[in-house]
Amino acid sequence: QKEVEQNSGPLSVPEGAIASLNCTYSDRGSQSFFWYRQYSGKSPELIMSIYSNGDKEDGRFTAQLNKASQYVSLLIRDSQPSDSATYLCAVLFSGGGADGLTFGKGTHLIIQP
Amino acid sequence: EPEVTQTPSHQVTQMGQEVILRCVPISNHLYFYWYRQILGQKVEFLVSFYNNEISEKSEIFDDQFSVERPDGSNFTLKIRSTKLEDSAMYFCASSEPNRGYPLGVYEQYFGPGTRLTVT
Repeated sequence: QKEVEQNSGPLSVPEGAIASLNCTYSDRGSQSFFWYRQYSGKSPELIMSIYSNGDKEDGRFTAQLNKASQYVSLLIRDSQPSDSATYLCAVLFSGGGADGLTFGKGTHLIIQP
Repeated sequence: EPEVTQTPSHQVTQMGQEVILRCVPISNHLYFYWYRQILGQKVEFLVSFYNNEISEKSEIFDDQFSVERPDGSNFTLKIRSTKLEDSAMYFCASSEPNRGYPLGVYEQYFGPGTRLTVT
């Protein structure tokens, strides 16, 4: 059974601080990992993908992957009120382009001005 | 910037009726997907489509569902006899060819969704 687990929150972070979002997954053989942002009533918007152990940075966002621990995280630096959204962790459990993503339930992030 | 488009944005139908949801994937993408999200729940994979045929489908994608690429740009999801529990947001997504990424990394880009309400 493919499972992606996230703390649903809400996670409340003051403006300007670092928001840390976490995700665990069930299949050790998983290939690729994605973070999406979803505003209420909107579609998932891709933030980052990561496939190798370690960190990957893109602007204010850093994704971290630890395959041994089956753990992936997203750090948001200098959090802004516009970052308030639900963050979805998604995993591609196999290596094919035709495979569907398995999503977690998402973590609701609130940035307090 | 290229984006996935979907029509209609909102569809209301009566139970038992057929609906067709339409999507135009990003033009150079080769893989197409349908997902759904019931209100308050997680995004769930329905089906993927490549080279004019279904590549993978989930348990949700039963005989009432079908997909088609009727021409070079559109990708459709048909629900033959809608049920109340089909009420959800339906998202189309597409992914690009493997451009320098290691095999297996396919970034999927989502359309704005169609909200389907079955009454």
